[in-house]
Amino acid sequence: DAGVIQSPRHEVTEMGQEVTLRCKPISGHDYLFWYRQTMMRGLELLIYFNNNVPIDDSGMPEDRFSAKMPNASFSTLKIQPSEPRDSAVYFCASSIQGYEQYFGPGTRLTVT
Amino acid sequence: TQLLEQSPQFLSIQEGENLTVYCNSSSVFSSLQWYRQEPGEGPVLLVTVVTGGEVKKLKRLTFQFGDARKDSSLHITAAQPGDTGLYLCAGALRGTYKYIFGTGTRLKVLA
Repeated sequence: DAGVIQSPRHEVTEMGQEVTLRCKPISGHDYLFWYRQTMMRGLELLIYFNNNVPIDDSGMPEDRFSAKMPNASFSTLKIQPSEPRDSAVYFCASSIQGYEQYFGPGTRLTVT
Repeated sequence: TQLLEQSPQFLSIQEGENLTVYCNSSSVFSSLQWYRQEPGEGPVLLVTVVTGGEVKKLKRLTFQFGDARKDSSLHITAAQPGDTGLYLCAGALRGTYKYIFGTGTRLKVLA
């Protein structure tokens, strides 16, 4: 079975540009999580969805960040405008009933 | 702010040695998970513990959830170079699926 799919794997953009990260969860999973990982702050939960509905977005750093899940097989995390401090690896994970999370390979974002 | 402190932060040992990694918090968790992450990849789930005092074994790895569900430990017996990686604990805050990840333990096992 295919695991969680994320695209792109790498993204380099200039400050001020819009960035969109994409995630396809494992089929049949009803929870989807977005995380950010940096050396300084470790792995942080940004937002999670249950059945396509956002449940907790308290980890979203500021209004520049937004996430959507239009259907059970697709989610996006958008940063507009991007800033150098947004540089990190962004992970998407999915699970059944919120328990065992399966992570994607991540998107390494560099904002110059 | 909820924190999950892991110790030690770094560990370098010889093949065949035993080790224990600790994960501590002042918060109570409804469940706790352990992951291993290798460079350039996402974390991979090792185990989920749910009940206070629960002990789970996965080959040479033994996981324990504290009685009060605030802490956990991971013990590796006879470590092998393939055990090298970043070990992360993650707790789900009670009544939610909001996961707090630990600060991580970077393990290197030398052949």
